Amino acid sequence: DAMVIQNPRYQVTQFGKPVTLSCSQTLNHNVMYWYQQKSSQAPKLLFHYYDKDFNNEADTPDNFQSRRPNTSFCFLDIRSPGLGDAAMYLCATFTPFHGYTFGSGTRLTVV
Amino acid sequence: KNEVEQSPQNLTAQEGEFITINCSYSVGISALHWLQQHPGGGIVSLFMLSSGKKKHGRLIATINIQEKHSSLHITASHPRDSAVYICAVPPRGGTSYGKLTFGQGTILTVHP
Repeated sequence: DAMVIQNPRYQVTQFGKPVTLSCSQTLNHNVMYWYQQKSSQAPKLLFHYYDKDFNNEADTPDNFQSRRPNTSFCFLDIRSPGLGDAAMYLCATFTPFHGYTFGSGTRLTVV
Repeated sequence: KNEVEQSPQNLTAQEGEFITINCSYSVGISALHWLQQHPGGGIVSLFMLSSGKKKHGRLIATINIQEKHSSLHITASHPRDSAVYICAVPPRGGTSYGKLTFGQGTILTVHP
């Protein structure tokens, strides 16, 4: 029973063409995250939400935006993807009781 | 900033062996997380622990808050346990959901 669902699993986009990655959760968790993970590297936090309270990491490029219209859904928008944005994008939720629940990730390829 | 060190970086074992992965951190924390990532895959949270010991199936995690050290053990290892195991901690004094600092990961390969 997938509880944090990311769509699509694989996404190919053209250089400079806006792309949106989506994440949904059935857990009703308040805290949600977007991480970027490049090959053989640790995940890098892009954004996190506590409810609708949005927190942008200082080194997250302006090219990356996020929306959370409700508790269940969270979106990552990349306005003008570059080759360097090719990565695995991970969505996660958190509660103090359950800890982290990660989605399966979306692997983004930029061509 | 919390420094997180994992050892070993690479670990090869034969099926059935007992595995231990270690994690040390520099600053006191509210909780420590053990994560698993299969090649090309997403991340699975294995444990969140703030004291003592937790067990789930063949996996056991322990933490010593005073020594700032945690271990992940796998009993009767199996080839499907082959993955990267990552230790992660939140910032000192921060909420338990704050920005995680990740260890560099331990690549485990279990041969049949």
